[in-house]
Amino acid sequence: DGGITQSPKYLFRKEGQNVTLSCEQNLNHDAMYWYRQDPGQGLRLIYYSQIVNDFQKGDIAEGYSVSREKKESFPLTVTSAQKNPTAFYLCASSISGGEAKNIQYFGAGTRLSVL
Amino acid sequence: KQEVTQIPAALSVPEGENLVLNCSFTDSAIYNLQWFRQDPGKGLTSLLLIQSSQREQTSGRLNASLDKSSGRSTLYIAASQPGDSATYLCAVKEFFNDMRFGAGTRLTVKP
Repeated sequence: DGGITQSPKYLFRKEGQNVTLSCEQNLNHDAMYWYRQDPGQGLRLIYYSQIVNDFQKGDIAEGYSVSREKKESFPLTVTSAQKNPTAFYLCASSISGGEAKNIQYFGAGTRLSVL
Repeated sequence: KQEVTQIPAALSVPEGENLVLNCSFTDSAIYNLQWFRQDPGKGLTSLLLIQSSQREQTSGRLNASLDKSSGRSTLYIAASQPGDSATYLCAVKEFFNDMRFGAGTRLTVKP
């Protein structure tokens, strides 16, 4: 069945370590997004990609990196430069173009904690 | 910069009660507004999407209204059920920017 799959569900990071969060979609969507959610705050955009091999920084891109080598995949790397990585990370996708592009479909999220 | 506020942060009601969740935004030049539901530790599920030219949208027991001039939207839930317990988020989409989310209202419906 179609949807967005995020893995792992829980992830632990050691000091100075880079970790990568996976996001895969089989909805044939062009656009993909990464958000961070902290308790008591709204979602904040980290990075987004409107098309393969292209991506743009969001509001809080520092300490994160992404790649978009395939339409279906948009992995997020949390680098050691991100000093406060503990949060719930959500991936989303949408069809680009027209009104439909504004409907984002979300994955189930990855909870990242620091050891 | 667009700011989205949701009040109250938490709400507890008895089963069967009708309730209203509020969302306000600072810049009325929006493309659309969307209400989402989020269950604990889960992703977001879209409930209703209101285009800037629309005043309201309905889906089952849910009704969302939009008043752009005053920068407000409400989500009305009729005859609430324990299964409605979740966090409800609103988000606005501006023409040349990405979605801006409120912090959400955590709803508990008691049996």
